Amino acid sequence: AQSVTQPDIHITVSEGASLELRCNYSYGATPYLFWYVQSPGQGLQLLLKYFSGDTLVQGIKGFEAEFKRSQSSFNLRKPSVHWSDAAEYFCAVGTPMNYGGSQGNLIFGKGTKLSVKP
Amino acid sequence: KAGVTQTPRYLIKTRGQQVTLSCSPISGHRSVSWYQQTPGQGLQFLFEYFSETQRNKGNFPGRFSGRQFSNSRSEMNVSTLELGDSALYLCASSLDRAHGYTFGSGTRLTVV
Repeated sequence: AQSVTQPDIHITVSEGASLELRCNYSYGATPYLFWYVQSPGQGLQLLLKYFSGDTLVQGIKGFEAEFKRSQSSFNLRKPSVHWSDAAEYFCAVGTPMNYGGSQGNLIFGKGTKLSVKP
Repeated sequence: KAGVTQTPRYLIKTRGQQVTLSCSPISGHRSVSWYQQTPGQGLQFLFEYFSETQRNKGNFPGRFSGRQFSNSRSEMNVSTLELGDSALYLCASSLDRAHGYTFGSGTRLTVV
């Protein structure tokens, strides 16, 4: 079965510091890759996505992510964190080659909660 | 263009009752997926509909069901509610998997 691992449950960074959220996936082919952000009680907002081509993708709100096939990773980065970035971040794998079965077509990690210190 | 609309936003039901949640996808999107989100289990896939047909189904009991109408709007129904069904239910619509998924704000269901 495909899976997504986000090793860090909770990360705290100071405002203005850089951020990197880790994501590793298990999938038999090149997947579609996504990062979503969720504020408390809200739905998921798409930050960025990777399908093919340039392995460094730019997203909204100043975020970027790099796909590394050899490491099966898709880490999210931001050079300078703002207090409004405090939220929960989810990495997800999309399955282009089949219909995903009981896991669905979009498989999520458990999320990383980001806190920002003033 | 309008996003994914889920109604109602909040719902309180009593154990044993049934509930119906609604999702209106982005215009032109024919795929609608449903997810249950809880603090303990995270985001779990319920089912996916495409052009009124259920394409995938997650590992949930038969009390959870859904359908999609010809205008792509979707409903999910949970019968005989249990306390453990309390969760945020999220709907996502998609043009196709390569374009990604757009989520609604969710319906917060509380079972008492």
